[in-house]
Amino acid sequence: DTGVSQNPRHKITKRGQNVTFRCDPISEHNRLYWYRQTLGQGPEFLTYFQNEAQLEKSRLLSDRFSAERPKGSFSTLEIQRTEQGDSAMYLCASSSRQGPGTEAFFGQGTRLTVV
Amino acid sequence: TQLLEQSPQFLSIQEGENLTVYCNSSSVFSSLQWYRQEPGEGPVLLVTVVTGGEVKKLKRLTFQFGDARKDSSLHITAAQPGDTGLYLCAYRTGGFKTIFGAGTRLFVKA
Repeated sequence: DTGVSQNPRHKITKRGQNVTFRCDPISEHNRLYWYRQTLGQGPEFLTYFQNEAQLEKSRLLSDRFSAERPKGSFSTLEIQRTEQGDSAMYLCASSSRQGPGTEAFFGQGTRLTVV
Repeated sequence: TQLLEQSPQFLSIQEGENLTVYCNSSSVFSSLQWYRQEPGEGPVLLVTVVTGGEVKKLKRLTFQFGDARKDSSLHITAAQPGDTGLYLCAYRTGGFKTIFGAGTRLFVKA
């Protein structure tokens, strides 16, 4: 296993289109996170899964956003009716246990550009 | 308003110089983490500091956790172009998510 894998790496879409991103976590990790990062900022938390259960969603995750992790393995993040403000890097991370010192391993991200 | 305030926001220095970046808050943390993010990549964990006053070294990088556990610093000795990147401080919540500061973007010129 080579780490957290995200696809695609880059996506350019027209405003109003739907897009879907995929994240494959490290195989033994049961926790999976989605973050969004805009230029000049640190990553902002979007949502979190423990196995297949989505346990928290940020207020940043509007009703146009939906995330799933159907079998507790890979996850998808869908954005419907994209807007220019959705342009950002979408990062996925996974970890194997929780606690203050737990390391979350990040993927390389999917860079979304909405034109 | 960021819970973690990082300074400076941007730093451009010559190879061989020393530098310190800061992560400050009015809140007390059980631990703080430092990540480095290179362009086009996800953040990578460098260190977790847990004890107030703790100092950890990672080659030319020295991390310190404030005595009151409200702040942390990262000192780089003899910076190299390979140190270029975004340095993020972060904390893990009692549950599970990582909250990041806005980061310090470092550029080391050869």
